Amino acid sequence: DVKVTQSSRYLVKRTGEKVFLECVQDMDHENMFWYRQDPGLGLRLIYFSYDVKMKEKGDIPEGYSVSREKKERFSLILESASTNQTSMYLCASQHGGTDTQYFGPGTRLTVL
Amino acid sequence: DAKTTQPNSMESNEEEPVHLPCNHSTISGTDYIHWYRQLPSQGPEYVIHGLTSNVNNRMASLAIAEDRKSSTLILHRATLRDAAVYYCILRASGTYKYIFGTGTRLKVLA
Repeated sequence: DVKVTQSSRYLVKRTGEKVFLECVQDMDHENMFWYRQDPGLGLRLIYFSYDVKMKEKGDIPEGYSVSREKKERFSLILESASTNQTSMYLCASQHGGTDTQYFGPGTRLTVL
Repeated sequence: DAKTTQPNSMESNEEEPVHLPCNHSTISGTDYIHWYRQLPSQGPEYVIHGLTSNVNNRMASLAIAEDRKSSTLILHRATLRDAAVYYCILRASGTYKYIFGTGTRLKVLA
């Protein structure tokens, strides 16, 4: 079975802190994604990566950056966390050319 | 981007069939229809997808209207473990981008 793991289930940070969210997949998938999930808004795509060091902006990239130095790892970075970035963050991976995305369990981030 | 519309919530009795509707009136000819579900405290998981024809797998069936402006996810016998938020999603051919709606929260009654 595909396994997508995220570094933390819950995280509390202060406004202005730099925040790293890590995602690791074990199935050699080419594509990886970061979403945020907010009540009433569903899932919104922040960034995705289709190869090592390759990335594309999703629908809401402002305030975020990403890093993919190794195929199995995709990091989401909040350079200076703000309270409006309090949310559930979900990572997903996908084998190129297939339709199924596999999601991690999510990280609930609270910015105080 | 085309959007999907789903009822906010639905209820079903255990061991009865459930029909979860989705409207996507602005769908384009190359948009795939996907369904995912999200169990409590978990990330979404794949259920089924299709383009034009009805599809069946071990989890569910997908019925797609002839004009493709709507689709229905069918759970043949709901169990308590099927209680989840079900998302109907469109994906344009040639892209990785999913457009998630807000989903339908399914409650299964024992």
